[in-house]
Amino acid sequence: AQSVAQPEDQVNVAEGNPLTVKCTYSVSGNPYLFWYVQYPNRGLQFLLKYITGDNLVKGSYGFEAEFNKSQTSFHLKKPSALVSDSALYFCAVRDRKAAGNKLTFGGGTRVLVKP
Amino acid sequence: GAVVSQHPSWVICKSGTSVKIECRSLDFQATTMFWYRQFPKQSLMLMATSNEGSKATYEQGVEKDKFLINHASLTLSTLTVTSAHPEDSSFYICSARVGGNENSPLHFGNGTRLTVT
Repeated sequence: AQSVAQPEDQVNVAEGNPLTVKCTYSVSGNPYLFWYVQYPNRGLQFLLKYITGDNLVKGSYGFEAEFNKSQTSFHLKKPSALVSDSALYFCAVRDRKAAGNKLTFGGGTRVLVKP
Repeated sequence: GAVVSQHPSWVICKSGTSVKIECRSLDFQATTMFWYRQFPKQSLMLMATSNEGSKATYEQGVEKDKFLINHASLTLSTLTVTSAHPEDSSFYICSARVGGNENSPLHFGNGTRLTVT
């Protein structure tokens, strides 16, 4: 079975400060990992993914995430947060060994960036 | 970039009626589309996988007779909520993957907020 946990329901950060959104995962094999962002009453937008290769992945809007196999984590980071980054962020995982294309999403972390 | 269009964006219906939600891939073909349900302040729960030209695959606990899925073409999947009840009120989101590469990210529609009165 595959699962993903986002331990923080909400993260508050001042504009210009670094932003980190935590994600840990559990798979039986090796993971495919994704981050998505959701704005109110909208679908999800893809930010970045880890498939293989470099552990540090760079994505859209200045976001990046680091794959850490030993800690089974894939935390999302942004060096300098903007007010417009306020949204709901989802981490998702798929086990490479799992049949089918199903992604499992974390519970989401609401990010509030204050001016 | 790949665009998934979902219609309607919101709908209010009376208990006992049926509601159809459309999901279209506008600039790519999607042999597989995914339907999710999202409750307020909660994550997305996969309801079913829609397969073009064949039956949908439903997740455990999802009533296939209540949530009818039809994937009649490579660019259109529909979800019909039959005999809707207030507990079916939710945010429904569809998604599709460009090409057959399982590593490709999903592209999501903007969702449909269903309110059953």
